[in-house]
Amino acid sequence: EAGVAQSPRYKIIEKRQSVAFWCNPISGHATLYWYQQILGQGPKLLIQFQNNGVVDDSQLPKDRFSAERLKGVDSTLKIQPAKLEDSAVYLCASSPVGGNEQYFGPGTRLTVT
Amino acid sequence: GNSVTQMEGPVTLSEEAFLTINCTYTATGYPSLFWYVQYPGEGLQLLLKATKADDKGSNKGFEATYRKETTSFHLEKGSVQVSDSAVYFCALLWSSASKIIFGSGTRLSIRP
Repeated sequence: EAGVAQSPRYKIIEKRQSVAFWCNPISGHATLYWYQQILGQGPKLLIQFQNNGVVDDSQLPKDRFSAERLKGVDSTLKIQPAKLEDSAVYLCASSPVGGNEQYFGPGTRLTVT
Repeated sequence: GNSVTQMEGPVTLSEEAFLTINCTYTATGYPSLFWYVQYPGEGLQLLLKATKADDKGSNKGFEATYRKETTSFHLEKGSVQVSDSAVYFCALLWSSASKIIFGSGTRLSIRP
């Protein structure tokens, strides 16, 4: 069974530029999560999708972050414009409906200079 | 609100030493509890879990027991190996919202 795929693995941009991350969850997993993991901290949930609907985006900085999951499968997370404090690893995870285990991708390490 | 507090690192041990990483939680209701591990350059992997009080999760020689009376889920291993060097995260699942809350992580380094 293929795991959660993410791309790119690394990205370096200047502040005020835009960036997008892509995630393809495990086949059949209805729930998809995006987390932000700042160095030395645990992952923090940004947004949770169930199929193509948003379940929780209460911690997403909506003035600069956006995410979509148009067909209920893969998802993109965008930052526009980026700030220095956005430097972090962005993790995508998925889980089946009713499951209590989340499966994580390898993450995208973003550096904003 | 719900939260997880875990032992600060880094923790450095010699190979074959006994390991304990402390984790306590605050939660309403009855959360599920997890330990995730993050090896260098990789994503998080579920190490073990427990879904109710007094359950013991175990995997790869690691164990943790869900203690409701002390709101704890301490991770233990009797004899660590160099390959156990990683960052360990304690987490709870707030089931009513299907939301996981992570601790801040504990970096473990094992000396040969």
